[in-house]
Amino acid sequence: DAGVIQSPRHEVTEMGQEVTLRCKPISGHDYLFWYRQTMMRGLELLIYFNNNVPIDDSGMPEDRFSAKMPNASFSTLKIQPSEPRDSAVYFCATSGTGNQPQHFGDGTRLSIL
Amino acid sequence: GQQVMQIPQYQHVQEGEDFTTYCNSSTTLSNIQWYKQRPGGHPVFLIQLVKSGEVKKQKRLTFQFGEAKKNSSLHITATQTTDVGTYFCAGNPGYSTLTFGKGTMLLVSP
Repeated sequence: DAGVIQSPRHEVTEMGQEVTLRCKPISGHDYLFWYRQTMMRGLELLIYFNNNVPIDDSGMPEDRFSAKMPNASFSTLKIQPSEPRDSAVYFCATSGTGNQPQHFGDGTRLSIL
Repeated sequence: GQQVMQIPQYQHVQEGEDFTTYCNSSTTLSNIQWYKQRPGGHPVFLIQLVKSGEVKKQKRLTFQFGEAKKNSSLHITATQTTDVGTYFCAGNPGYSTLTFGKGTMLLVSP
């Protein structure tokens, strides 16, 4: 079985640029989560979707962040404009239901210079 | 909102020593899950506890869920260098999704 697939694995860009992170969930998983991980703040939930519908985006830090899930096979997390403090590892995770274990992708290591 | 606290934040042990990490929730949980993240890797699901007072074992790892379903622990007997990583608990209150603790980073010296 293919796991959660994230791209790119690494991204280095200059501040002010638009960044788009991508996630392909495990087929049949109805829940998709976007997390941000830093040493200081740990693993933070940014937003999650159920059946492609955003359920809770209270973790999205500010209007520069947006996430979409146009279909069951694809989600994006966009940062525009990016800032150095956005540097972190961004994980996408999916689960069959809200109570079931979450399966994480390998993450995108984002560095904003 | 729900909070999940983990202690200690960090522990360094000698190989062969035991290790325990504790997890406390501000609210009663429907279930609790434990994950392990190796350095440079992603969190990987280890186990889920559902019942009050439940104890589960995976080889040298013992997981407990408190009677009040608000706390949990992970104990590793005779640590090995392969146990290195960060261990996260994640609480599920039943009406929302998981809340992850900040994790306990375990370093094992040979």
